[in-house]
Amino acid sequence: EVQLLESGGGLVQPGGSLRLSCAASGFTFSTYAVSWVRQAPGKGLEWVSSISGGGGSTFYADPVRGRFTISRDFPQNTMYLQMNSLRAEDTAVYYCAKAQSGSRYYFDYWGQGTLVTVSS
Amino acid sequence: EIVLTQSPATLSLSPGERATLSCRASQSVSSSLAWYQQKRGQAPRLLIYDASNRATGIPARFSGSGSGTDFTLTISSLEPEDFAVYYCQQRSTWPLTFGGGTKVEIK
Repeated sequence: EVQLLESGGGLVQPGGSLRLSCAASGFTFSTYAVSWVRQAPGKGLEWVSSISGGGGSTFYADPVRGRFTISRDFPQNTMYLQMNSLRAEDTAVYYCAKAQSGSRYYFDYWGQGTLVTVSS
Repeated sequence: EIVLTQSPATLSLSPGERATLSCRASQSVSSSLAWYQQKRGQAPRLLIYDASNRATGIPARFSGSGSGTDFTLTISSLEPEDFAVYYCQQRSTWPLTFGGGTKVEIK
């Protein structure tokens, strides 16, 4: 059974940093791209970042490029999102999601989400 | 960036009725479009991929159509569990983008 479990969310002050983790199980981690998608309170879905199966390719949405870094640890089957210079508009539930197959960036499995709140 | 515009924003229907949801892209995405369902407090669920293919375990009452810039998600007969928010998403071009969502509510 595919499972994705996010952790690391919390309350952080503007300008601060946070690292989110997504522990994956139930599939061959190195075969599939994985991504972060966020949802601000009461709002729609927003793609944040993706990393290819092998980790060699990374992609970022413009609002986070230069501030966020996506990475993956193969022995640990874990994906990370390092978030720096956080802003109030980064407040959201952050979901990790698995690509449907290889590098097909549809999301067939999602975690339960972790809430990031940026506020003073 | 490809903008996906979903309409209507809210659809008020009764169980058993047919729901027709629209997603329009600002430029062609070919058939590289998916639909998701999200219920309150839950993660999204993939319903349709490549515009018209049902994902694993999705009931046959859900169907997708379209290509290029105009896409439709149809729910042939609404079940009580289908009242939710629906999003479209394109994977044709980076950045990946989602539509703003259509809420299907009970009339």
